[in-house]
Amino acid sequence: DQQVKQNSPSLSVQEGRISILNCDYTNSMFDYFLWYKKYPAEGPTFLISISSIKDKNEDGRFTVFLNKSAKHLSLHIVPSQPGDSAVYFCAASADYGQNFVFGPGTRLSVLP
Amino acid sequence: DSGVTQTPKHLITATGQRVTLRCSPRSGDLSVYWYQQSLDQGLQFLIQYYNGEERAKGNILERFSAQQFPDLHSELNLSSLELGDSALYFCASSPRPSYNEQFFGPGTRLTVL
Repeated sequence: DQQVKQNSPSLSVQEGRISILNCDYTNSMFDYFLWYKKYPAEGPTFLISISSIKDKNEDGRFTVFLNKSAKHLSLHIVPSQPGDSAVYFCAASADYGQNFVFGPGTRLSVLP
Repeated sequence: DSGVTQTPKHLITATGQRVTLRCSPRSGDLSVYWYQQSLDQGLQFLIQYYNGEERAKGNILERFSAQQFPDLHSELNLSSLELGDSALYFCASSPRPSYNEQFFGPGTRLTVL
């Protein structure tokens, strides 16, 4: 039973355009969400987070949107750059930072 | 470079064997987490330690065990290995539990033949 789902295994976007990565969750107790980026042969690195008291958090080119009623969050990257090509993991926690449940990841390819 | 180190980088062994994976957290981090990533799967949380004590347990098999030592490094022991245990094993650390992000090491790739 996957509590965190990323239904698109891969996504290709043209450089300069917007990348939208989606994540759905089933556990209504999740109250904290993160996005991680992973390059090949490296561990995941933290990108951006959002708590359930907010519906949007922005950090430079990265914005995360949370729709609690739909149990859906999305990561927007604008403008997309070739260096953004990586696997993006969505993660959720019901314990504010403990016991994160990760999605399977979406591989983003930004084409020059 | 996250500051988290993991050794070895690669490990190839046979079914039925036992291996130990090692993790050194970032300087000053007291909490260590272990994750397993199988092919095309997300990261599965295995176990968390905080300052030497087990803090939380995830989907960790009974054949697996871990500990965190007084110098805060951690070891993950995998025994009676099966083919399905082949995966990437990541260690992560954070200053304390409930910190809003974890810092991941580069992982250990375990191949069981």
